[in-house]
Amino acid sequence: EVQLVESGGGLVKPGGSLRLSCAASGFTFSNAWMSWVRQAPGKGLEWVGRIKSKKDGGTTDFAAPVQGRFTISRDDSKNTVSLQMNSLETEDTAVYYCTKGGPMGTYFDYWGQGTLVTVSS
Amino acid sequence: AIQLTQSPSSLSASVGDRVTITCRASQAISSALAWYQQKPGKAPKLLISAASSLESGVPSRFSGSGSGTDFTLTISSLQPEDFATYYCQQFNSYPFTFGPGTKVDIK
Repeated sequence: EVQLVESGGGLVKPGGSLRLSCAASGFTFSNAWMSWVRQAPGKGLEWVGRIKSKKDGGTTDFAAPVQGRFTISRDDSKNTVSLQMNSLETEDTAVYYCTKGGPMGTYFDYWGQGTLVTVSS
Repeated sequence: AIQLTQSPSSLSASVGDRVTITCRASQAISSALAWYQQKPGKAPKLLISAASSLESGVPSRFSGSGSGTDFTLTISSLQPEDFATYYCQQFNSYPFTFGPGTKVDIK
């Protein structure tokens, strides 16, 4: 059974940093492209960024609103993917979901339960 | 970025009704479209990939169609557990984008 379990959410002040982690199991993690998707309270879904598998280059892409502030990394030895969020803004307040990508990281076939990040003074 | 619009934004329907939700892309995306179902307080669930491929375990009353810019999600006979918000998502090009969602509630 595929499981994705996020951790690390919480309350942070504007300008602060936070690191989210996602522990994966039930599939060959090293082959998967992983993405983060967020959902602001009462709003729709927004793709945040993606990391390719190492065999496909291990590179990352990000949505414009977080480009330059967020980074994604992976540790295939621990089956974890992380989202480092810096220079946080109130607009970053959302539930952050870790997702497993379909073939070549296309759609999102499995989702974690989400972790809430609140950016407020 | 490719923009997705969905219509209607919300609808009220009864158990047993046939429901159709439309997703339109701002440019052609071939069949690179997925549909998700989200219930309150829960993570989204993938229903359909590649415009019309039903995911394993998803009831056959769900179906998807379309290509290019116009896509449809159909629920042939609405069941109580289908009341939720539905999102489309394009994966033709980065940044991946989602539609604004269609909320299906009980009439």
